[in-house]
Amino acid sequence: AQTVTQSQPEMSVQEAETVTLSCTYDTSESDYYLFWYKQPPSRQMILVIRQEAYKQQNATENRFSVNFQKAAKSFSLKISDSQLGDAAMYFCAYRRGETSGSRLTFGEGTQLTVNP
Amino acid sequence: DAEITQSPRHKITETGRQVTLACHQTWNHNNMFWYRQDLGHGLRLIHYSYGVQDTNKGEVSDGYSVSRSNTEDLPLTLESAASSQTSVYFCASSYPRGQAFFGQGTRLTVV
Repeated sequence: AQTVTQSQPEMSVQEAETVTLSCTYDTSESDYYLFWYKQPPSRQMILVIRQEAYKQQNATENRFSVNFQKAAKSFSLKISDSQLGDAAMYFCAYRRGETSGSRLTFGEGTQLTVNP
Repeated sequence: DAEITQSPRHKITETGRQVTLACHQTWNHNNMFWYRQDLGHGLRLIHYSYGVQDTNKGEVSDGYSVSRSNTEDLPLTLESAASSQTSVYFCASSYPRGQAFFGQGTRLTVV
């Protein structure tokens, strides 16, 4: 079974600084996807960024980027120029690349605080 | 606009009662999922469905059931609510290999 581990229950960053959230996963599959979701206090689950395992290039979305280390099974999220609105719970998630299903396996979450 | 909605947003129930949480999506997605969120565990899969009349157990399915009679709805039933089922419940839907869209969540308290 696939597992996803986020070893940082809480992180904090100063506004305008950069922070990196860690995620490791375990799988025997070669075709899979990795995601970072943001959950603000509203509870809404918001997709931040997605990485396909077959792509060597790290995904980026504006101030958000990932460091995907396939051999090490590591998938960290870097938030640059942190803003107060980035404060949220962040979840790392894994999904197999099977054709029919799209079940997600989530990590435990990292609560990010942004200090003004 | 297409959306996925859950109801109710909050519910308090008593131990032993049957509870049903509703999930309705207008994306016309075949795949639908129920997760529960607990501190220290992230989101865990309860049940999922890949189409009408198809249902499957997830990681934490004991005490829960689902049925899929149409594409739009996947209600989650707690047959006999227990305090251990106090949690926040999320419904999600997607196309195969597509992005998952989540409902707003239902906070259930079992007293």
